Amino acid sequence: EIVLTQSPGTLSLSPGERVTLSCRASQSLSSTYLAWYQQKPGQAPRLLIFDASKRPTGIPDRFSGSASGTDFTLTISRLEPEDFAVYYCQQYGDSPRRMWAFGQGTKVEIK
Amino acid sequence: EVQLVESGGGLVQPGGSLRLSCAASGFTFRNYAMSWVRQAPGKGLEWVSTITGSDGSTYYADSVKGRFTISRGNSKNTLYLQMNSLTAGDTAIYHCAQNDAASGTVFDYWGQGALVTVSS
Repeated sequence: EIVLTQSPGTLSLSPGERVTLSCRASQSLSSTYLAWYQQKPGQAPRLLIFDASKRPTGIPDRFSGSASGTDFTLTISRLEPEDFAVYYCQQYGDSPRRMWAFGQGTKVEIK
Repeated sequence: EVQLVESGGGLVQPGGSLRLSCAASGFTFRNYAMSWVRQAPGKGLEWVSTITGSDGSTYYADSVKGRFTISRGNSKNTLYLQMNSLTAGDTAIYHCAQNDAASGTVFDYWGQGALVTVSS
């Protein structure tokens, strides 16, 4: 079973600040299969980062991801007003069977 | 433009059944794995089920295995989720999502979701 633990639960920050969100996996899986999503109230989640550090087309470069063993990080270099949202990490595993799992989320709120 | 539109949500009594549909457009549906992800009110995201595009293999979270069935109609560009033996714990917004083409391991696009409420 994949268990992803995100920290902190909530961050209170001001626009312009740098943000670092953490996601720790319970087991060592391929870092290739780690993604981050952003969700705003009343909206569907949006893919921000895949393969731990790659951005889909259209995602601003202030969003970046990194990996170190079972620890994954999402960094927002400079918070914009539209970045206040909940962020989820997600991992995929295929042993012993295919499954997908999400972390519990980190809320980034305006201070 | 990829569009995913869920339908079929509503209020159902505990022990009842419901079938969700997700109408897909803007891409070659049969070529993509598709998934259902749910979100209980005020809670986080929970993966529910995935079906591959190629051979229709299916995968389920332990919480729904044996009760939910995912299927697809490639000729109708539609994804389905048959939900049986529903409990209050299944109350959530159910999003359908397109898995990425390269590996199927992430969810590229999402629908707005259909609300399922299980209550007497």
